[in-house]
Amino acid sequence: DIQMTQSPSTLSASVGDRVTITCRASQSISSWLAWYQQKPGKAPNFLIYKASSLESGVPSRFSGSGSGTEFTLTISSLQPDDFATYYCQQYNVYPWTFGQGTKVEIK
Amino acid sequence: QVQLQESGPGLVKPSETLSLTCSVSGGSISSYYWSWIRQPPGKGLEWIGYIYYTGSTNHNPSLKSRVTISVDTSKNQFSLNLSSVTAADTAVYYCARGDNVEFFQHWGQGTLVTVSS
Repeated sequence: DIQMTQSPSTLSASVGDRVTITCRASQSISSWLAWYQQKPGKAPNFLIYKASSLESGVPSRFSGSGSGTEFTLTISSLQPDDFATYYCQQYNVYPWTFGQGTKVEIK
Repeated sequence: QVQLQESGPGLVKPSETLSLTCSVSGGSISSYYWSWIRQPPGKGLEWIGYIYYTGSTNHNPSLKSRVTISVDTSKNQFSLNLSSVTAADTAVYYCARGDNVEFFQHWGQGTLVTVSS
């Protein structure tokens, strides 16, 4: 299986901060990567596909980049609604696998 | 807007079979790929498998041959059976759908299944 490793595991930030989360794959996955946001007690919310394509309706402060084995999710100006846990997911090779998550908490 | 809703027992005994159903509304199940994903308490997400409305399936080999996913197009539902469960199968189980098979744009609210005697 392809292992997805996110860093950091926890990130403390303030409203208005620029935030970057990294996701590394154990082998190349080209650009076949998605990002999700999950709030406590809720199902994940789909944000980005193909590493950098923003899902319709997702605020433009979210962006994704990368290819191969290293990817980033950036929130350009953190808003109160963005405090959550973020997961990456590869879909290059079965089985689809997720990162362990990055929790963005209030500083 | 498609909506998904999981249903099934919240408590299953060890060695028994976990059975869940996902009811789809706001759209036909007769297209797209329909998936199951789980999340142990306080942990990350694990893809279990998917089914296409034609009945073709794919599942995570980590679950070996314990997984069965089926579809009932007449009821607009699909189901998950996970046999020989242990405490390690305790998790919130989500059903989900994507416009493509590879990712998941629409999710159910999730249902917690606890494996305990």
